[in-house]
Amino acid sequence: EVQLVESGGGLVQPGGSLRLSCAASGFTLSSYWMHWVRQAPGTGLVWVSRIDSDGTSTNYAGSVKGRFTISRDTAKNTLHLQINSLRAEDTALYYCARGAGYIKNWYLMDVWGKGTTVTVSS
Amino acid sequence: DIVMTQSPDSLAVSLGERATINCKSSQSVLYNSNNKNFLAWYQQKPGLPPKLLIYWASTRESGVPDRFSGSGSGTDFTLTISSLQAEDVAVYYCQQYYSTPCSFGQGTKLEI
Repeated sequence: EVQLVESGGGLVQPGGSLRLSCAASGFTLSSYWMHWVRQAPGTGLVWVSRIDSDGTSTNYAGSVKGRFTISRDTAKNTLHLQINSLRAEDTALYYCARGAGYIKNWYLMDVWGKGTTVTVSS
Repeated sequence: DIVMTQSPDSLAVSLGERATINCKSSQSVLYNSNNKNFLAWYQQKPGLPPKLLIYWASTRESGVPDRFSGSGSGTDFTLTISSLQAEDVAVYYCQQYYSTPCSFGQGTKLEI
């Protein structure tokens, strides 16, 4: 079964850091683009970042550029998001999602995890 | 960046009736070289992650019931549920993937 399971969220003070993880099963991360999408409480979806199948190309939303870093561990088939200099507005449920492939489009997301919650508060 | 705007923000429809959700992009998401609209629809049920329903504006994802259909081109798009079922209660999002950053609409909450 294809599955994504996020972890690493928690309560952190403003200015703090967290490392989110997304363990993939049923498929190989290195064959797909992978994304992070976040959803602040009671609001909509916001794309955060993506990494390509080679792991050599990344993109970020402007609001997180320079503070967030996406990466992957192919040996552990796990995606990561290092989030630094956290702000209150980063409070959200963070989803990892799989890109749907070259034929459909890598920015379509066909498999999603259940998310991990990040709360930034003093 | 392309801004996606959905209407209405919420919608109440009776069981068996038609539901229509609109999505407008701030610039065209039609790629002229292949005549495809880079527009998708997702469904998010309470407490669950989003689910891809439709891509290329009108292509249903595998396993999606045919009561769901998408239409439109350029900047104006519509998601239609032809006969609303109880399990269709959800928030629906459009997404453009024409340019980076990809972006979602604010969501439309569909209720019975």
